[in-house]
Amino acid sequence: GQQVMQIPQYQHVQEGEDFTTYCNSSTTLSNIQWYKQRPGGHPVFLIQLVKSGEVKKQKRLTFQFGEAKKNSSLHITATQTTDVGTYFCAGPDNFNKFYFGSGTKLNVKP
Amino acid sequence: DGGITQSPKYLFRKEGQNVTLSCEQNLNHDAMYWYRQDPGQGLRLIYYSQIVNDFQKGDIAEGYSVSREKKESFPLTVTSAQKNPTAFYLCASSISGTGANEQYFGPGTRLTVT
Repeated sequence: GQQVMQIPQYQHVQEGEDFTTYCNSSTTLSNIQWYKQRPGGHPVFLIQLVKSGEVKKQKRLTFQFGEAKKNSSLHITATQTTDVGTYFCAGPDNFNKFYFGSGTKLNVKP
Repeated sequence: DGGITQSPKYLFRKEGQNVTLSCEQNLNHDAMYWYRQDPGQGLRLIYYSQIVNDFQKGDIAEGYSVSREKKESFPLTVTSAQKNPTAFYLCASSISGTGANEQYFGPGTRLTVT
């Protein structure tokens, strides 16, 4: 079956440092979505990318969708303590079954 | 207030008992999903439903059952056949089941079975 892997599994950064998480799918995705889950909370939708090579920005967050539509990345510039949480990528397979990545847990030290 | 609700927030059961987790949405969404999350892990799909009276198994459906008799409700039963039921259970919904739309999550139910 389809697999969606993320690296790294954990990342500890000093406040102000940049952070990147990478998402890789074993199959082509029609779209990729990113979610953030705060400690003790539930996942919250951040953004969706649809086109090959697409890049979207949300303030300090930059999202990219790979040319082959099998990988994606999320980059946070100048992290803040409010960025703490686990970031998940997710996407559907050809049968509309949804797969979430393994997640990257970000810890930001003030 | 529109949204998706799950109850209860915490649930404790003895081993060997079936337990049903509630999930309700008033977003008029066609699709609903159940995920399981273990500590420090990602989300694994248990069951999903793209339309009323229809549902499909996810990757870890064994030991679970669902029903979708109403558009707004998608209850999950954790049966005694589930070998390791203690986990955080998340319900979600989306406008359609095509995977083209974002998913909205409920607050989750933490189930502990002893």
